[in-house]
Amino acid sequence: DIQMTQSPSSLSASVGDRVTITCRASQSISSYLNWYQQKPGKAPKLLIYAASSLQSGVPSRFSGSGSGTHFTLTISSLQPEDFATYYCQQSYSTTWTFGLGTRVEIK
Amino acid sequence: EVQLVESGGGLVQPGGSLRLSCAASGFTFSNYWIHWVRQAPGKGLVWVSRINSDGSDLNYADSVKGRFTISRDNAKNTLYLQMNSLRVEDTAVYYCAREGILTLMDVWGQGTTVTVSS
Repeated sequence: DIQMTQSPSSLSASVGDRVTITCRASQSISSYLNWYQQKPGKAPKLLIYAASSLQSGVPSRFSGSGSGTHFTLTISSLQPEDFATYYCQQSYSTTWTFGLGTRVEIK
Repeated sequence: EVQLVESGGGLVQPGGSLRLSCAASGFTFSNYWIHWVRQAPGKGLVWVSRINSDGSDLNYADSVKGRFTISRDNAKNTLYLQMNSLRVEDTAVYYCAREGILTLMDVWGQGTTVTVSS
C-alpha cells in the first residue's frame, strides 16, 4: 500500500497567518492527491483535488501544489472557520490511503 | 439535493456481524463508484473499500479483506457493507462517499457509528 505522511501533525496559528501543510507519498502518485477538511463531529469536506484544483465553492485562500511524492496545502490567510483537521489522500492505486491528518488550532 | 445517508450502525460483540447501508438520492447512483471510509474515536480517516458503478469491481483495505464485503443495489440506490468477524479495532464512525470524476470523494454521508465491545 502507498503510505501518506503528513507534517506537522498539529500546528497553532493566528487568524491571518499563512499556513502550509506537507504531505509525502511513499512512491510517486503523479497528481492523484486530494485534500479534505474535517471539523469535529462532521463529515470530511473536499477542498483540493488532483493536487492543485480547487473544489467548487471552496475559498481561494486554499491552494495546493506538488506532484510525484511531495505535496503541500497552503492557506494564505487563516480565517476563524479554518480551524479544523486536514487530511491528504492518494487515489493513484486501487486501494486509497489517507495521511494521519494535521490539526490546525488557534494560537 | 445530492445526499448520502448511512444507517445500520450499533453495538455488536467481538466476532459478530453487522450490515451497514448507505442510501443515495439526488443523483444517478448507478453512474458512480462509492467508497466506505471509517474513523475510530479520536483518530484519523481510514479508507475501507470501494465498488464500481455496476458492482463488478471491488477493492478492500488489507485490514478488512476477507471479513467485510461491499455491495450495491442500483435499483434501490443503496450501498451496503457486510461486516463479519468484527473486532474491537473495527469500532468507528463509518462514512460512505461518492467518487466523483477525477478520483476524488466529493459527497459524504453523515456517518453511522459501529461499536464492537463485549
